Amino acid sequence: DAGVIQSPRHEVTEMGQEVTLRCKPISGHDYLFWYRQTMMRGLELLIYFNNNVPIDDSGMPEDRFSAKMPNASFSTLKIQPSEPRDSAVYFCASRGILESTDTQYFGPGTRLTVL
Amino acid sequence: QKEVEQNSGPLSVPEGAIASLNCTYSDRGSQSFFWYRQYSGKSPELIMFIYSNGDKEDGRFTAQLNKASQYVSLLIRDSQPSDSATYLCAVTPPGDSWGKLQFGAGTQVVVTP
Repeated sequence: DAGVIQSPRHEVTEMGQEVTLRCKPISGHDYLFWYRQTMMRGLELLIYFNNNVPIDDSGMPEDRFSAKMPNASFSTLKIQPSEPRDSAVYFCASRGILESTDTQYFGPGTRLTVL
Repeated sequence: QKEVEQNSGPLSVPEGAIASLNCTYSDRGSQSFFWYRQYSGKSPELIMFIYSNGDKEDGRFTAQLNKASQYVSLLIRDSQPSDSATYLCAVTPPGDSWGKLQFGAGTQVVVTP
């Protein structure tokens, strides 16, 4: 099992540019979560999907952020336009069963720097 | 008040000693509790979960849960330098059937040789 795959691993962009982060969940997992992690705010849940349907997007900071999951094996998080305060590590996680327990498995993250 | 609270540390522990990490949560009906370990520059990885009051042991790790006190802890026995990391406590909110987790800010542990 390849685990959760995220791309790119690092992204450096200028303020005002569009940024698209990508995630491939573990095959067979039916939940997908997008998180953002900063030193100041810790790990924050942005949005999550069940069977490709967005369930809760209350953590999305503002309209500049959008997320889609067109199929069970792919999701994107888009920021348009990007701002320096969006600089953070963005994690994607998918949920599966471990010893009859729902467990979230995290991808390696995308480190975003907005100049 | 934050929903999940942890001491940020750093918690300095001599090699071979026991590291004790604490976590409190605000939602009394929370049912599931998780400990994740995060090495610097890496993603969180699950190391323990616990549902019932009492202790749960897995190797050198012991999770302790006290729902009446809304308190969950993690003990690391025989601490090793490789245990140096940030430990995140996570809680499933009450009534949440979607697997959503609320994370604490994490406790940084430094094991000194």
